Amino acid sequence: KNEVEQSPQNLTAQEGEFITINCSYSVGISALHWLQQHPGGGIVSLFMLSSGKKKHGRLIATINIQEKHSSLHITASHPRDSAVYICAVPGAQKLVFGQGTRLTINP
Amino acid sequence: EPEVTQTPSHQVTQMGQEVILRCVPISNHLYFYWYRQILGQKVEFLVSFYNNEISEKSEIFDDQFSVERPDGSNFTLKIRSTKLEDSAMYFCASSGTGVNGYTFGSGTRLTVV
Repeated sequence: KNEVEQSPQNLTAQEGEFITINCSYSVGISALHWLQQHPGGGIVSLFMLSSGKKKHGRLIATINIQEKHSSLHITASHPRDSAVYICAVPGAQKLVFGQGTRLTINP
Repeated sequence: EPEVTQTPSHQVTQMGQEVILRCVPISNHLYFYWYRQILGQKVEFLVSFYNNEISEKSEIFDDQFSVERPDGSNFTLKIRSTKLEDSAMYFCASSGTGVNGYTFGSGTRLTVV
């Protein structure tokens, strides 16, 4: 059974700061998902990555398969980035979710 | 961009009542899932569905839960006799390639009173 741990659980930063959220998992995987959950509750898929790095706008996701670790970075953070960020890994016929990182960006 | 649609967005029901949560997956997807998130907790897997049958279910998915694909487009989750602890956000997801390509619906917030 794959255990997924995220850190930090809560993160508050000022607008413009560089943000890093970490995710570790216990069992080797083929790909990892980064998801965003806004206060209304809906989940949006940000990235799925299996190696290296992916970039989408100000969001960058990296993964180290050997270390079983992934990071999500946000450059030039903005208040609209405030949300819960969740990593999830495949487990047989399902995704196994981390507990999420609540990010608050203050103006 | 194709979406997974869930209805209703919010449902309030009395304890002991049956509820049906509805989902319209992306049309060419083959794998369908239900997850739930109790307030303040992590998202938990309920059930996966492929080729018109359940492919995996969690311990949460007991006899009070059932899933159905009644026609070519809908995917439903039925809770037969709701309990207070069933109050949660329920997410439907679909995938064309199994766990490596997911799209989530916006969720149904179920409140059992």
